[in-house]
Amino acid sequence: DVKVTQSSRYLVKRTGEKVFLECVQDMDHENMFWYRQDPGLGLRLIYFSYDVKMKEKGDIPEGYSVSREKKERFSLILESASTNQTSMYLCASSPDGRGTGELFFGEGSRLTVL
Amino acid sequence: AQSVSQHNHHVILSEAASLELGCNYSYGGTVNLFWYVQYPGQHLQLLLKYFSGDPLVKGIKGFEAEFIKSKFSFNLRKPSVQWSDTAEYFCAVMNTGFQKLVFGTGTRLLVSP
Repeated sequence: DVKVTQSSRYLVKRTGEKVFLECVQDMDHENMFWYRQDPGLGLRLIYFSYDVKMKEKGDIPEGYSVSREKKERFSLILESASTNQTSMYLCASSPDGRGTGELFFGEGSRLTVL
Repeated sequence: AQSVSQHNHHVILSEAASLELGCNYSYGGTVNLFWYVQYPGQHLQLLLKYFSGDPLVKGIKGFEAEFIKSKFSFNLRKPSVQWSDTAEYFCAVMNTGFQKLVFGTGTRLLVSP
């Protein structure tokens, strides 16, 4: 089975702190994604990557950056956390080149910014 | 920009009732369509998908969905729900030209035993 592992299930941070959310997939997938999930808003795409050292902005990239130094790892960075970034963050990967859209998700990282 | 609408935000059903969850999307070109499910405390997982061919697709656990191109719809159905179907259901659409998967806002289904 494909496994997408997010390093932290729950985090509590203070406003202004730098936050790293790590995601690792074990199936050699080319594509990786970061979404945030909020009640009533569904999933919104923050950033995605089709290859190592490559990144593209999603629909809500403001306040976030990403890093993909290795194929299996995709990190989401909040340079200066704010309370409106309190959310559930979902990492996903997919094996397709630029393809069909079937994603495999991690269990999520619930971030609370105080 | 492409958008996905799920009209029912919360649905409450009794076991054995029939289920239909609506999904409409805004893009008129070629699309791939998905339903994902998130059971309580679990990760999102694929329920079913449509890429091409027969517009009636069957997924896991007795779910099916019908693609109606003229209505830009991809509604999810199940003839008889079970308590274990309690979950949040997300419709998602990918415009094959844009490579991005766009999700709807989700429908929370509660099935009472």
